[in-house]
Amino acid sequence: SQQGEEDPQALSIQEGENATMNCSYKTSINNLQWYRQNSGRGLVHLILIRSNEREKHSGRLRVTLDTSKKSSSLLITASRAADTASYFCATDAGRDDKIIFGKGTRLHILP
Amino acid sequence: KAGVTQTPRYLIKTRGQQVTLSCSPISGHRSVSWYQQTPGQGLQFLFEYFSETQRNKGNFPGRFSGRQFSNSRSEMNVSTLELGDSALYLCASSPQGRGSPLHFGNGTRLTVT
Repeated sequence: SQQGEEDPQALSIQEGENATMNCSYKTSINNLQWYRQNSGRGLVHLILIRSNEREKHSGRLRVTLDTSKKSSSLLITASRAADTASYFCATDAGRDDKIIFGKGTRLHILP
Repeated sequence: KAGVTQTPRYLIKTRGQQVTLSCSPISGHRSVSWYQQTPGQGLQFLFEYFSETQRNKGNFPGRFSGRQFSNSRSEMNVSTLELGDSALYLCASSPQGRGSPLHFGNGTRLTVT
């Protein structure tokens, strides 16, 4: 079963605006990761946040993690056309440490 | 460093046939994971290999199998193909697998007719 569930399923915003995607999960995690996938290609790792961290930044990306609510958010600031892609959260599934992905958020940046 | 390489890029097979997909991980990476991606189910974990041993397995039937060689290259095999096996099969490597980012190849697009 899916561990992470992204919300919204799809998001369209104007170039230059900020995009926020959320991920909720069900069980305790060791870490949570965000990935980007351009159409028909492999996933690209964006950022990893460990369970004892609350916030992490990388360039225009900001990730937060709230383990009490079992949720994470990915904020992309000053969006660009090149940010159009699907974004996935991924969690390790506890003791067996499988990395499990959600179904993703499709982000479309409008010119 | 060269990235993760998956071959072939596209494959068309007929129901009942079998198929073998190949993955060459990033040099030095010992963990290789396989995922099946479909529009309806998203990314589903198939299995993970580390140092030639299967370390984790997802909920797929026994028709799906894999192996890893001493140079960390991995293959996955699907026997008795079904229409529902049509998907993008993604391979990912990482140095240790646990707690580290995955590096993905561009996948093999399998179409079963």
